[in-house]
Amino acid sequence: QSALTQEASVSGTVGQKVTLSCTGNSNNIGDYAVGWYQQISHGAPKTVMFGNSLPSGIPDRFSGSKSGTTASLTISGLQPEDEANYYCSTWDYSLSAWVFGGGTKLTVL
Amino acid sequence: QVHLQQWGAGLLKPSETLSLTCAVNSGSFSGYYWSWIRQPPGKGLEWIGEINHSGTTNYNPSLKSRVTLSIGTSRNQFSLKLTSVTAADTAVYYCAREHPMGRGVPDMWGQGTTVTVSS
Repeated sequence: QSALTQEASVSGTVGQKVTLSCTGNSNNIGDYAVGWYQQISHGAPKTVMFGNSLPSGIPDRFSGSKSGTTASLTISGLQPEDEANYYCSTWDYSLSAWVFGGGTKLTVL
Repeated sequence: QVHLQQWGAGLLKPSETLSLTCAVNSGSFSGYYWSWIRQPPGKGLEWIGEINHSGTTNYNPSLKSRVTLSIGTSRNQFSLKLTSVTAADTAVYYCAREHPMGRGVPDMWGQGTTVTVSS
């Protein structure tokens, strides 16, 4: 059981906007920025979002937001290369540990 | 550009000790927390622990009794030791740098090392 809850799967068509969510509690997402990671076909994860900041080299169709204890990653204008597993994480101060979500499999139809 | 390169033994027998090292090639080593994360086959990511340049550590409570992180003598390397491994420790292990502005968020990842525990 992951500390952060993500949808198991999400799908969308090319060009569509999709939103992935990551839900935690006041000990983690409620107080800390959330990171999002893209993992394509068993390769190493790549950080695609920190809070609402886009790392260098990541397309600006990716955006991040947070409301209370839920963070979201939105992909506007979905592309075939966006098909991947997406994970979220942050710090949990009650555990003094990083916590991850279980991951969302994004399928581009 | 910061690059993380990791290495270590990929095949272990039950009860042996897993040992991995990660080198930070270019960029600053101090001022960051450096972590190990693992991913069992077909499963999600699990944080193992972190260490900073001063040697301050935090560990996943579920692994704490078996994990030791340390700083290498070259000061731009850090290492993971996991004792008494079992098949449940079979995973791809990643080293990572924590984002300077965010706890619990990696901004750089190593390439991953596959570790298999089998008799």
